[in-house]
Amino acid sequence: DTEVTQTPKHLVMGMTNKKSLKCEQHMGHRAMYWYKQKAKKPPELMFVYSYEKLSINESVPSRFSPECPNSSLLNLHLHALQPEDSALYLCASSQDSSGRAYEQYFGPGTRLTVT
Amino acid sequence: AQKITQTQPGMFVQEKEAVTLDCTYDTSDPSYGLFWYKQPSSGEMIFLIYQGSYDQQNATEGRYSLNFQKARKSANLVISASQLGDSAMYFCAMRAEPHAGGTSYGKLTFGQGTILTVHP
Repeated sequence: DTEVTQTPKHLVMGMTNKKSLKCEQHMGHRAMYWYKQKAKKPPELMFVYSYEKLSINESVPSRFSPECPNSSLLNLHLHALQPEDSALYLCASSQDSSGRAYEQYFGPGTRLTVT
Repeated sequence: AQKITQTQPGMFVQEKEAVTLDCTYDTSDPSYGLFWYKQPSSGEMIFLIYQGSYDQQNATEGRYSLNFQKARKSANLVISASQLGDSAMYFCAMRAEPHAGGTSYGKLTFGQGTILTVHP
């Protein structure tokens, strides 16, 4: 089962709101990722978690706060966002070993609109 | 640093015909993986095919094949017998293989994408 689920599918929030995006996988993957994607552009990596520890933060503003409660779950907490943060937020997971560069499996994404 | 170049912003193909989507790359990593993803208008990124830099044979997955030419640093995707459902954005991507002390293996570098339209 190569499925990554994300909730919610759509989210509209004001600039003063606090919300969270959720991602879940049950493939036994130990690496999980958050990406931001603007229309007709490639995804941009935000964060990487490896074995539930943050391993890469691509200089993302602190208004985005990731959390990995366990190996199957990944959250992205949002606070005081700006309209330019409106985008598709994609979660992905992959095996994480020295075997090879494993493919990442993506969820369906959350379309976020900041008003 | 890694770089992926997709020079075709848009491609058109007739249903049942084959189409090649171009991808060239540049990297200083000694070993790496190359990937193709499909993104329909719904937004989900769908993994299509993987090629390892040391693989001797070109990868194939059903109607998808990857024409890997290491000396030319190209990894073109060939879709045979195109279907209307193949209409989507296609991204080429690469990722360094993990090595001792390295942390870049988590990063997947994408090209700008090619929009494929299949005509009936």
